[in-house]
Amino acid sequence: DTAVSQTPKYLVTQMGNDKSIKCEQNLGHDTMYWYKQDSKKFLKIMFSYNNKELIINETVPNRFSPKSPDKAHLNLHINSLELGDSAVYFCASSEQGSGNTIYFGEGSWLTVV
Amino acid sequence: DAKTTQPPSMDCAEGRAANLPCNHSTISGNEYVYWYRQIHSQGPQYIIHGLKNNETNEMASLIITEDRKSSTLILPHATLRDTAVYYCLSYNYGQNFVFGPGTRLSVLP
Repeated sequence: DTAVSQTPKYLVTQMGNDKSIKCEQNLGHDTMYWYKQDSKKFLKIMFSYNNKELIINETVPNRFSPKSPDKAHLNLHINSLELGDSAVYFCASSEQGSGNTIYFGEGSWLTVV
Repeated sequence: DAKTTQPPSMDCAEGRAANLPCNHSTISGNEYVYWYRQIHSQGPQYIIHGLKNNETNEMASLIITEDRKSSTLILPHATLRDTAVYYCLSYNYGQNFVFGPGTRLSVLP
């Protein structure tokens, strides 16, 4: 019954590899997001996406790309992983419109070695 | 950048009310005030939100000043499980939820 689910929860990989984190929401929401929380614990938005528009935070390297096969899924692909990509990545979703709550997944812990 | 400011940390005795302040002096008329919390190693959890009126739900109460420049989240009877980082955000549709560093609340036995 998890509303926003992410897989894998933990991922350890070597520098230079390409990896993906999957996200699914069963809330029927229109908009999905990816956030990054680094070692300093700041939560920063990476992308927001609905069926019309992808909004990219300009500070996100183009090695990161979201892929949405349908409204309920927003996967995060990362190419050529670097040590600095080590972080917790959170997927989230919300309905469109004012005053709508955003719901987060439990996070995917990525460690690049 | 976050448009809200919060104290970096607070302590509260178990069973007492925890009052967490937030300043949002630049909030616009159609922006909501949201509160989330993040318990260690978990995803941020929605607590409550409001626009102008005070709000209450099963988790907490939200008191918004009349000029809307500040608000207070009240956990009426804090428990050890309420130890977390609490985030106050202002948000409206078309924006993104921008998280600041939040307030680290420690509930002490």
